[in-house]
Amino acid sequence: QQQVKQSPQSLIVQKGGISIINCAYENTAFDYFPWYQQFPGKGPALLIAIRPDVSEKKEGRFTISFNKSAKQFSLHIMDSQPGDSATYFCAASGDTDKLIFGTGTRLQVFP
Amino acid sequence: GAGVSQSPSNKVTEKGKDVELRCDPISGHTALYWYRQSLGQGLEFLIYFQGNSAPDKSGLPSDRFSAERTGGSVSTLTIQRTQQEDSAVYLCASSLVREGEQFFGPGTRLTVL
Repeated sequence: QQQVKQSPQSLIVQKGGISIINCAYENTAFDYFPWYQQFPGKGPALLIAIRPDVSEKKEGRFTISFNKSAKQFSLHIMDSQPGDSATYFCAASGDTDKLIFGTGTRLQVFP
Repeated sequence: GAGVSQSPSNKVTEKGKDVELRCDPISGHTALYWYRQSLGQGLEFLIYFQGNSAPDKSGLPSDRFSAERTGGSVSTLTIQRTQQEDSAVYLCASSLVREGEQFFGPGTRLTVL
């Protein structure tokens, strides 16, 4: 019940395309859903986050879509760029503050 | 000042040895977290410190793992009698307040031979 399932494991997108990464959770107590971006040799950095009172949040080219009834949320990267090539992790937390992370998606954007 | 720092950046040790990993959180951050990232895996929660409260140790995988946080700032993660399965990147994060954004350090890559 504590798991966050993430897919796909890897994703290859052409420059200018849309990258979509999906996550699903079981624990209905989760109320905070962040996405982290990690470059090789670096720690993860917060990209964008959402709480379940809204169904969508957009920041620049990055959008989180949230479906509370389906217990799913996704990250959309519009106009994907080679600089977006990184590993992306979804996560969730609830009444405790520890983040439960998905297994990550390695995104490669080719020019 | 600067972000979260961790030392050493890399640690190679022999099976059975003890290791200490250090984390310097962002000044003023009250919450500090340790995670473990194994190859091809997500980040696994280990332990959480919040202010003067008792730490949440629920993620520690065995009694060989322990952590302390001195003076509400620097934290040390200790792994005793290391095993090969302990090989991973150990990440530290801090946040200003509870439920705040977690800022991660660059991690310590531990290799147990």
